[in-house]
Amino acid sequence: DGGITQSPKYLFRKEGQNVTLSCEQNLNHDAMYWYRQDPGQGLRLIYYSQIVNDFQKGDIAEGYSVSREKKESFPLTVTSAQKNPTAFYLCASSRGGISNYGYTFGSGTRLTVV
Amino acid sequence: AQSVTQLGSHVSVSEGALVLLRCNYSSSVPPYLFWYVQYPNQGLQLLLKYTTGATLVKGINGFEAEFKKSETSFHLTKPSAHMSDAAEYFCAVSANNAGNMLTFGGGTRLMVKP
Repeated sequence: DGGITQSPKYLFRKEGQNVTLSCEQNLNHDAMYWYRQDPGQGLRLIYYSQIVNDFQKGDIAEGYSVSREKKESFPLTVTSAQKNPTAFYLCASSRGGISNYGYTFGSGTRLTVV
Repeated sequence: AQSVTQLGSHVSVSEGALVLLRCNYSSSVPPYLFWYVQYPNQGLQLLLKYTTGATLVKGINGFEAEFKKSETSFHLTKPSAHMSDAAEYFCAVSANNAGNMLTFGGGTRLMVKP
């Protein structure tokens, strides 16, 4: 079955370390997205990519970086510049150019700074 | 530009009671509207969507929503709440002039009392 896989499900980071969250989809979707979720704050867009080798900053991109070298993959790196990285991270994908399709979400990665 | 407002960040109902979660949107063009559900520590799952045609949309788990253009609303209802309905619910909107980007509401946490 097609879907989005996020790994790992739980991740622990020491202060000052960079960590990379994986997001892979086999839905042949053109667009992919990263969201951050904190209690009581809904979904906040970090980065998105509408096509391979191109991506745009979302509302809270500072302290994060992404790459989109393959259609299937959109990894998110949380850098040491992100001052408060503890959160639940969600990856999503959608078909390109069609606004009535909606998103398919992964199951999330919970990142904790220790 | 488009936006979504979910009235009530927390809603509590008794098991067997009517569930009503409110969503109002703004969009300069005819919108596409979505409801997603999120269970704890999981990703978002599509409940239902309105694109065109019938304004009363039925989704999974007995939920339905009605698109009311005159009221710019897309409220989610279920006649009889079940304990398993306890989750967070997100309303989202997209439009032809926004490509495939979704704008999400802030979410409503539904609590079901026995």
